[in-house]
Amino acid sequence: EDQVTQSPEALRLQEGESSSLNCSYTVSGLRGLFWYRQDPGKGPEFLFTLYSAGEEKEKERLKATLTKKESFLHITAPKPEDSATYLCAAQGPGGYNKLIFGAGTRLAVHP
Amino acid sequence: EAQVTQNPRYLITVTGKKLTVTCSQNMNHEYMSWYRQDPGLGLRQIYYSMNVEVTDKGDVPEGYKVSRKEKRNFPLILESPSPNQTSLYFCASSLSRQGDPQYFGPGTRLLVL
Repeated sequence: EDQVTQSPEALRLQEGESSSLNCSYTVSGLRGLFWYRQDPGKGPEFLFTLYSAGEEKEKERLKATLTKKESFLHITAPKPEDSATYLCAAQGPGGYNKLIFGAGTRLAVHP
Repeated sequence: EAQVTQNPRYLITVTGKKLTVTCSQNMNHEYMSWYRQDPGLGLRQIYYSMNVEVTDKGDVPEGYKVSRKEKRNFPLILESPSPNQTSLYFCASSLSRQGDPQYFGPGTRLLVL
């Protein structure tokens, strides 16, 4: 069964303390691995798509990487405004365009 | 501004009273989808549509209906809501190609008493 697991569930960082969020997936024939940011009471906001192992993408303090089994979201020198829930989703060949979401990692960055 | 809009944003209703949540996108996307988000369960797909008049079930379709008469609109219909449909609902849209990102609306928080 296709599955996406994110860890940790919650992460508390001090401002400037870099860390990584993990997304493990078991999806045959991956069509895309997506990262979203979700603020409380709002819809998920698209961050990155990764398509193949070895691919990396960056945006400001965020960098996403992909292997054949995992994706990492690295946060460098985070600021309090980076506090949010980060969602990972995988898309396989089944269920047209369907996204399989992980449960998310709640990130809190304190000054 | 490119966006997905949903209405209403908040809704309190009673068991059995039919309701419709509207979704509209201005990006000319072929693909649209509805998800529900529940604590501990994450986002789960309810229904999706590949284009006008083409819809199909997602993982949790029971108790829901959809229609796609126009490309920009994809309403979610609850014919007889029940308390277990209390949830946060999101509409999303994308281009039709696999691997294209889906863009989400702001959400509709539904409480069924």
